[in-house]
Amino acid sequence: GESVGLHLPTLSVQEGDNSIINCAYSNSASDYFIWYKQESGKGPQFIIDIRSNMDKRQGQRVTVLLNKTVKHLSLQIAATQPGDSAVYFCAESPTGSARQLTFGSGTQLTVLP
Amino acid sequence: KAGVTQTPRYLIKTRGQQVTLSCSPISGHRSVSWYQQTPGQGLQFLFEYFSETQRNKGNFPGRFSGRQFSNSRSEMNVSTLELGDSALYLCASSPDGSNQPQHFGDGTRLSIL
Repeated sequence: GESVGLHLPTLSVQEGDNSIINCAYSNSASDYFIWYKQESGKGPQFIIDIRSNMDKRQGQRVTVLLNKTVKHLSLQIAATQPGDSAVYFCAESPTGSARQLTFGSGTQLTVLP
Repeated sequence: KAGVTQTPRYLIKTRGQQVTLSCSPISGHRSVSWYQQTPGQGLQFLFEYFSETQRNKGNFPGRFSGRQFSNSRSEMNVSTLELGDSALYLCASSPDGSNQPQHFGDGTRLSIL
């Protein structure tokens, strides 16, 4: 079946640099996308979401970009901090609702001092 | 506002037993979804409840079941436990699930011996 996948399993960045985490999705019918951050021992924490009628959405220090032409999603984190170290998951909703999500495999972000 | 609360946090069972996990959603949230997280399969959708009714179901065997009570609290049950059921079980809630992001609890870690 179709699934959401991530390009890179690990990403290391210097503190203060910008981070970009990428995600490819394969279900062209999906119209809701979301990013979560998961720290060790905790559940996923909502970061930002976007619907398919948008191509960019900004939050606090984070930006999500959606390219429907190539079915690509990215999360940009500005001025990456040690507290940003975590596993980041993208997820899509094949039903168009936020309550039934198909998750990618995750990217481990490590922030170096 | 209190977050999603899952109990117990840790559970050890043996093959063939059954288990019940509990989830209390954020106050005012009526949609509750359950996910299974394993290193091999990642985060996978189990089912979603709204107003005491199962609205969506993932691709899991009938041994996995759930229910929701009138106060929106939810339980999931796994019968005839198998070694492969060892996982982190996550509960997520949202006001109604359609257009708002889900918020996760920290999960129940189930280990099958």
